[in-house]
Amino acid sequence: SAVISQKPSRDICQRGTSLTIQCQVDSQVTMMFWYRQQPGQSLTLIATANQGSEATYESGFVIDKFPISRPNLTFSTLTVSNMSPEDSSIYLCSVEKRGGPYNEQFFGPGTRLTVL
Amino acid sequence: QKEVEQDPGPLSVPEGAIVSLNCTYSNSAFQYFMWYRQYSRKGPELLMYTYSSGNKEDGRFTAQVDKSSKYISLFIRDSQPSDSATYLCAMSAGGGYQKVTFGTGTKLQVIP
Repeated sequence: SAVISQKPSRDICQRGTSLTIQCQVDSQVTMMFWYRQQPGQSLTLIATANQGSEATYESGFVIDKFPISRPNLTFSTLTVSNMSPEDSSIYLCSVEKRGGPYNEQFFGPGTRLTVL
Repeated sequence: QKEVEQDPGPLSVPEGAIVSLNCTYSNSAFQYFMWYRQYSRKGPELLMYTYSSGNKEDGRFTAQVDKSSKYISLFIRDSQPSDSATYLCAMSAGGGYQKVTFGTGTKLQVIP
């Protein structure tokens, strides 16, 4: 298993500002993921972050808006830049742990962001 | 059309009832089918996964996959108030890292 913590747990931010969300895992993992969860919508993958390489972004998400760092095998950050009310969402960090035929994904508790 | 469709609910049932949660999907490449449970203000946690078609049972929970109909189900027997949560179905094409596609989740409330 994996225990994941996120900081902050929630924040209220002003339009045009940026927020950096931190994700810490209790063990070394190769792949970390950042998701967005908006009310009434499915979990949407923003990007995949591997240590030592550039993050890979999904369609509709760009590095300038969501820069990601992955300095080591237990930590990652996601920045939401130049925020607008449409960025209000829950942001979740996830990791994949290998074991058996299926690689299970574990999720952090999420960061609840409100943009005014 | 979304790749994965899931009724958002909410679904309210009395304690002890049998609950049926369902998802349909359109991508024939999906081979792994998962159910996650998400309590309020928490991240999703994996309940069960099933490979290809068939049934899988774990305690009060049974997962069913019908690939011919592109339809998956999660049954909860003897539902408890502690089962009140949002249940997300999820699917991927492979067991190694493959992108996981999630449903929107069904909110379940079990009333004592």
